[in-house]
Amino acid sequence: QKEVEQNSGPLSVPEGAIASLNCTYSDRGSQSFFWYRQYSGKSPELIMSIYSNGDKEDGRFTAQLNKASQYVSLLIRDSQPSDSATYLCAVNMDSNYQLIWGAGTKLIIKP
Amino acid sequence: GAVVSQHPSWVICKSGTSVKIECRSLDFQATTMFWYRQFPKQSLMLMATSNEGSKATYEQGVEKDKFLINHASLTLSTLTVTSAHPEDSSFYICSARDSQASTDTQYFGPGTRLTVL
Repeated sequence: QKEVEQNSGPLSVPEGAIASLNCTYSDRGSQSFFWYRQYSGKSPELIMSIYSNGDKEDGRFTAQLNKASQYVSLLIRDSQPSDSATYLCAVNMDSNYQLIWGAGTKLIIKP
Repeated sequence: GAVVSQHPSWVICKSGTSVKIECRSLDFQATTMFWYRQFPKQSLMLMATSNEGSKATYEQGVEKDKFLINHASLTLSTLTVTSAHPEDSSFYICSARDSQASTDTQYFGPGTRLTVL
């Protein structure tokens, strides 16, 4: 069974702090990993993709991948109230381009 | 770049009628598109994978005769909900993969909110 697991939250973080979101996946051979953000009532939007072990930074966002431990994380620095949303982790585990989705972590940034 | 549109953004219909939802990739070609459904406060659920020029692949439990998918061009896929019933009311979202990109990133449309009375 191919699975992606996330803590559903809610994760409450003070404004200006670092928010840390985590995701684990079942298939050791997975190659592509994505973080999407979904605001209530809206469709998901891509935040970051990562393919290699290590860190990938884009502005306030850093994705971290550890294939040996089968986890991927997303760090949000200087959290803003506008970052409050559900964050979805998605993993491509085979060659047909389908993504396996986590259930999402609800993040609340408190002013 | 990588813009996906959906039409309509919302629709209200009577029970028993059919509704067609369009998904277009505006600035890239997409041989593969995906259709998702999301109920309130629940996760995304993949309904089917739409492949240009061939039959869609449906996920287990999704009725292919009820949810008709047509992907007749490299930029357009349609989902038709036939004989819609109130339990089909949901948020339907499509995504598309850029055929010419080396990555498998999916770009999402804004979604279509269907309400069946």
